[in-house]
Amino acid sequence: KQEVTQIPAALSVPEGENLVLNCSFTDSAIYNLQWFRQDPGKGLTSLLLIQSSQREQTSGRLNASLDKSSGRSTLYIAASQPGDSATYLCASQGGSEKLVFGKGTKLTVNP
Amino acid sequence: DAGVTQSPTHLIKTRGQQVTLRCSPISGHKSVSWYQQVLGQGPQFIFQYYEKEERGRGNFPDRFSARQFPNYSSELNVNALLLGDSALYLCASSSWTSGFTDTQYFGPGTRLTVL
Repeated sequence: KQEVTQIPAALSVPEGENLVLNCSFTDSAIYNLQWFRQDPGKGLTSLLLIQSSQREQTSGRLNASLDKSSGRSTLYIAASQPGDSATYLCASQGGSEKLVFGKGTKLTVNP
Repeated sequence: DAGVTQSPTHLIKTRGQQVTLRCSPISGHKSVSWYQQVLGQGPQFIFQYYEKEERGRGNFPDRFSARQFPNYSSELNVNALLLGDSALYLCASSSWTSGFTDTQYFGPGTRLTVL
């Protein structure tokens, strides 16, 4: 059974700082790994999807990496802004449409 | 193009009642999945439907059921509501054209409160 863990559970940083969010998973037989953003009480916004054959994906100030052998993924946010404040969720996808989510990291970027 | 839409936005029910939640996928998407997100937790998979057939089911009791219509919209039904069913219910759609490598797009969710 796949288990996804995100560390830290919460993170508070000053504006402009670069930061890394961590995600680990127990079963390396995944098809892809997705990172989502969730604002309070809202749905999920897809940020990046890394297929199992890829090592990383980039979108603007965001960079996500994937190391299947070690069961880890990281989301790097450059030059953080107050608008980046949200909960960030990672989810693994195995041999079905089912996504297995971590509990998320709540990020606060202080002006 | 419109994203995934869900209705209603909020719902308040009492224990023992039944509820129906609705989801319309992105145009052209044939796969719809349902998730339950309890406060402070990540979403938990409930069902996936593709081409009107159930393709996956999570670890939820039989009180939970769903269906998909010919236009690919979907309904999630929950019978005999319990306090623990209070959660944000999320719907996701994907094209599922390349197996399990397509991005899933989520709707804004329906907030269900059971009193």
